[in-house]
Amino acid sequence: ETGVTQTPRHLVMGMTNKKSLKCEQHLGHNAMYWYKQSAKKPLELMFVYSLEERVENNSVPSRFSPECPNSSHLFLHLHTLQPEDSALYLCASSRLQGYEQYFGPGTRLTVT
Amino acid sequence: TQLLEQSPQFLSIQEGENLTVYCNSSSVFSSLQWYRQEPGEGPVLLVTVVTGGEVKKLKRLTFQFGDARKDSSLHITAAQPGDTGLYLCAGSLSDSGGSNYKLTFGKGTLLTVNP
Repeated sequence: ETGVTQTPRHLVMGMTNKKSLKCEQHLGHNAMYWYKQSAKKPLELMFVYSLEERVENNSVPSRFSPECPNSSHLFLHLHTLQPEDSALYLCASSRLQGYEQYFGPGTRLTVT
Repeated sequence: TQLLEQSPQFLSIQEGENLTVYCNSSSVFSSLQWYRQEPGEGPVLLVTVVTGGEVKKLKRLTFQFGDARKDSSLHITAAQPGDTGLYLCAGSLSDSGGSNYKLTFGKGTLLTVNP
């Protein structure tokens, strides 16, 4: 499999649930990103990992917890989310931080 | 303040028309990328431009990087319904030390091409 993959593609969860989003890149890149994209809003950068270290956290609520166990995998752990967290969550990777990014297909999250 | 301004925000045209969308900034970028995103999918990289004044063509799409590397344009000739999507530009900026780069996205132009 090539490129950037994300699972699941769709997720519906209640506000008390705990779930995780998974991202995997097969490009040999060293930087990975999580973005949130809400309807009619621009891309919001959430987290940046470079060489498996978190280098950026853009004031994201603690109910979102990222994990990067190695340079190919990135997780976003979710707990006690709010309905306004419903959005398309996109993962991306790049050769190095700041270089052109390659995106996964996204996870469409609905919080009920 | 948005670092990268894209215009127009929305554009609806008929099949066969030509169009140009713009990406402007007061900052100088080391490189600039254009992406297209279809509903419910992730953005797909179309092109990267690096040199001031550079022009790249991808079938009916022509991308130009401004001479000062502060702006870019995307021109589509004879638009087709398959060109419909959100067009995003993103610029790469280095920090004051010149060793760390950050990619910043514009808000995008939502293009609809009607058959």
